[in-house]
Amino acid sequence: GNSVTQMEGPVTLSEEAFLTINCTYTATGYPSLFWYVQYPGEGLQLLLKATKADDKGSNKGFEATYRKETTSFHLEKGSVQVSDSAVYFCALLMDSSYKLIFGSGTRLLVRP
Amino acid sequence: GAVVSQHPSRVICKSGTSVKIECRSLDFQATTMFWYRQFPKQSLMLMATSNEGSKATYEQGVEKDKFLINHASLTLSTLTVTSAHPEDSSFYICSARADSVMNTEAFFGQGTRLTVV
Repeated sequence: GNSVTQMEGPVTLSEEAFLTINCTYTATGYPSLFWYVQYPGEGLQLLLKATKADDKGSNKGFEATYRKETTSFHLEKGSVQVSDSAVYFCALLMDSSYKLIFGSGTRLLVRP
Repeated sequence: GAVVSQHPSRVICKSGTSVKIECRSLDFQATTMFWYRQFPKQSLMLMATSNEGSKATYEQGVEKDKFLINHASLTLSTLTVTSAHPEDSSFYICSARADSVMNTEAFFGQGTRLTVV
């Protein structure tokens, strides 16, 4: 079946450090890929997305590239801020379904 | 982006009572709405998918008689937790999609934290 695997957290970084959160997927077709962010006590917000292989999604300094050959969609940011502390979810959406399939989420904690 | 409003944000209820959670799309018509449940420090589990004017489609293992979903209009879906018990305490999140295009972004509500005492 279709699934998303994320690195386990929490990830703790100092401000201005480089961030990578790994995400790999298993899918029978060609999904669209998403990163969502959830701040404490809130719902999810779309951070970025990519709809086909080699697409790069970017927003607020975050980037992720859709790598079909490695079935990955790793999230990166060059310099994290304290305000980036949140839980990040990788997700996929198959053409045959309206349902988003989420990874388990990775908690990021950025210390001043 | 489009706005999805979920109400209430927090609710505490007594065991055995029912609780209704509303999910509204404020500036677009949501042909499809989704209800998720999130346990502490875990991912979102899709409970059901609802399309306006039709019965909801529940995921395997979700009790449809306990979690009643109504999608009476293109801007409103409700989730009613019937005869709530402490194990139903959780964070419930809705999302809405504007149309049937596969890559259309799903917009999420702020979530409802339900505590059953």
